[in-house]
Amino acid sequence: EAGVTQFPSHSVIEKGQTVTLRCDPISGHDNLYWYRRVMGKEIKFLLHFVKESKQDESGMPNNRFLAERTGGTYSTLKVQPAELEDSGVYFCASSQVLGQGPTDTQYFGPGTRLTVL
Amino acid sequence: GENVEQHPSTLSVQEGDSAVIKCTYSDSASNYFPWYKQELGKRPQLIIDIRSNVGEKKDQRIAVTLNKTAKHFSLHITETQPEDSAVYFCAAARVRSNTGKLIFGQGTTLQVKP
Repeated sequence: EAGVTQFPSHSVIEKGQTVTLRCDPISGHDNLYWYRRVMGKEIKFLLHFVKESKQDESGMPNNRFLAERTGGTYSTLKVQPAELEDSGVYFCASSQVLGQGPTDTQYFGPGTRLTVL
Repeated sequence: GENVEQHPSTLSVQEGDSAVIKCTYSDSASNYFPWYKQELGKRPQLIIDIRSNVGEKKDQRIAVTLNKTAKHFSLHITETQPEDSAVYFCAAARVRSNTGKLIFGQGTTLQVKP
């Protein structure tokens, strides 16, 4: 079974530019989460999808961040325009939905390292 | 708000010694406590987890204890090996009746010296 994949692995952009990160969850996982780790600090929650619906976006820092999951499969996270403080590693994680086996375990992708210059 | 404090931030031990990492959480409704290991340049990997109806869980050299009253949980690694060197994250979450988002601690960099 393929794990969670993320693209790109690295992105270097200039302040003011736009970047789109992609996450492909494990097949069949309806829960999809985005997290971010900034400068060696803790991994922080950004938002949670169940299928295509946003369940919790309380961690989104501001309206420069837009996440989508059209069709309930892969998800994208767009940052527009990017600021210096957006630099960090963006992780995606997925888990199964209640009633279909273990729901607690979140499987993480390798992350996208974003550097804003 | 929800918060998880993790200590120590760095830990250096000799191979064969034990390592203990401690976490304290603020949300008394948390009922799921996973531990992730992240090796350099790799993804966080779940190594062990515990639910609020259990006080202790063990898997070979790794064990986790939970004290719900004190809102405190710990990771114990015995007979450490150089390959245990990594960053370890604790987390707390409300699962089943809530979103299940993980609230992470700050991470502990464990170095096991051969």
